[in-house]
Amino acid sequence: GAGVSQSPSNKVTEKGKDVELRCDPISGHTALYWYRQSLGQGLEFLIYFQGNSAPDKSGLPSDRFSAERTGGSVSTLTIQRTQQEDSAVYLCASSLTGQGALQPQHFGDGTRLSIL
Amino acid sequence: QKEVEQDPGPLSVPEGAIVSLNCTYSNSAFQYFMWYRQYSRKGPELLMYTYSSGNKEDGRFTAQVDKSSKYISLFIRDSQPSDSATYLCAMSAATSGTYKYIFGTGTRLKVLA
Repeated sequence: GAGVSQSPSNKVTEKGKDVELRCDPISGHTALYWYRQSLGQGLEFLIYFQGNSAPDKSGLPSDRFSAERTGGSVSTLTIQRTQQEDSAVYLCASSLTGQGALQPQHFGDGTRLSIL
Repeated sequence: QKEVEQDPGPLSVPEGAIVSLNCTYSNSAFQYFMWYRQYSRKGPELLMYTYSSGNKEDGRFTAQVDKSSKYISLFIRDSQPSDSATYLCAMSAATSGTYKYIFGTGTRLKVLA
């Protein structure tokens, strides 16, 4: 079946511009995660959505970062007034649920963001 | 100190070799342990996950967890050039009923034909 889909796959933009990254999770998965992966770094947790509950935003690095998930499915991560240090691969993952017994995460191929 | 430590490599081995990849961790609350494989310009792909200490085998892959030493390993037998990728360990513990994952930085593996 279809996996996690992310778009765009690559994004190059100028410093100061806003960007929107999209994630389409696996159908039926209620948990959705955003991560950031920089060269030589592990996956840095950004935000977690579970069903209709309030998201866990504890990993967002600044108030320039926000995310929403509409209808419990598609999610968008928005970065306002981009800075060069925002350049990274942004990965989205979904799982059947994020509660109860652990359910493995399934990842998309990421959006490669480059800020000039 | 990072919660999860993983040697970044790169690790180069000849085809057919046994590969050992390792992570250490500091948080004794971790309950689930996972290994992901990530090919270049792709997302991580789950290889194996285990709960509790011991070994778990799946084909050429064996995952080992030693909770007393806070040490996990992934062994790859009869390594193939197609195994060349970055291997990420990940760990999780329940916090207020939900799970957060902590990832290692990944070990880059190159299997030479």
